[in-house]
Amino acid sequence: DAKTTQPTSMDCAEGRAANLPCNHSTISGNEYVYWYRQIHSQGPQYIIHGLKNNETNEMASLIITEDRKSSTLILPHATLRDTAVYYCIVRVAGGGGRGGSNYKLTFGKGTLLTVNP
Amino acid sequence: DARVTQTPRDKVTEMGQEVTMRCQPILGHNTVFWYRQTMMQGLELLAYFRNRAPLDDSGMPKDRFSAEMPDATLATLKIQPSEPRDSAVYFCASGWDRGMNTGELFFGEGSRLTVL
Repeated sequence: DAKTTQPTSMDCAEGRAANLPCNHSTISGNEYVYWYRQIHSQGPQYIIHGLKNNETNEMASLIITEDRKSSTLILPHATLRDTAVYYCIVRVAGGGGRGGSNYKLTFGKGTLLTVNP
Repeated sequence: DARVTQTPRDKVTEMGQEVTMRCQPILGHNTVFWYRQTMMQGLELLAYFRNRAPLDDSGMPKDRFSAEMPDATLATLKIQPSEPRDSAVYFCASGWDRGMNTGELFFGEGSRLTVL
């Protein structure tokens, strides 16, 4: 899996948009960008994923640059409950392969987002 | 809401004791993952299964860790003998592999293990 680079920490004011960047300059054509978050003392939670096009769901929006070397996760109206570590992961779509290696989801250090009142 | 269930939530044991952690994946999911999280190492993948078959357990210390899926509703992670360095939060996650766009995993609340 391609390596990702994220800032160690970020702050955001409650009610404002939180924009979390991720660099994945070595991403391959068949690798998706996934975002997960982990609120303190809980298991990681899936947020969103995408390949080339921008994606939006009820939690967030994912903006992927045209060259796919970076992406931004946007929380449009951050709340205190959005304080968490956010992980950007790139991963090949689909499973199988020899040894099933495509199933791996490898977490890095992530970005600690602190939403302030 | 369907969720991944892990037991025990907290376990304190003494060095040398056997520890078994259990996971009930979401009904219908066919992939199961075990992760370990510590402050120093972050989230580490230990092992994972697809359709109950182990695909990769290269992240596990082989001499003391073992992971199994006796049936589709139960995954176990066993440590024997346990050591203080095994103290961590162990997460189980499950997902549904349709061959494409896999990667959405559902995590349990974790089992916090403390080995004295």
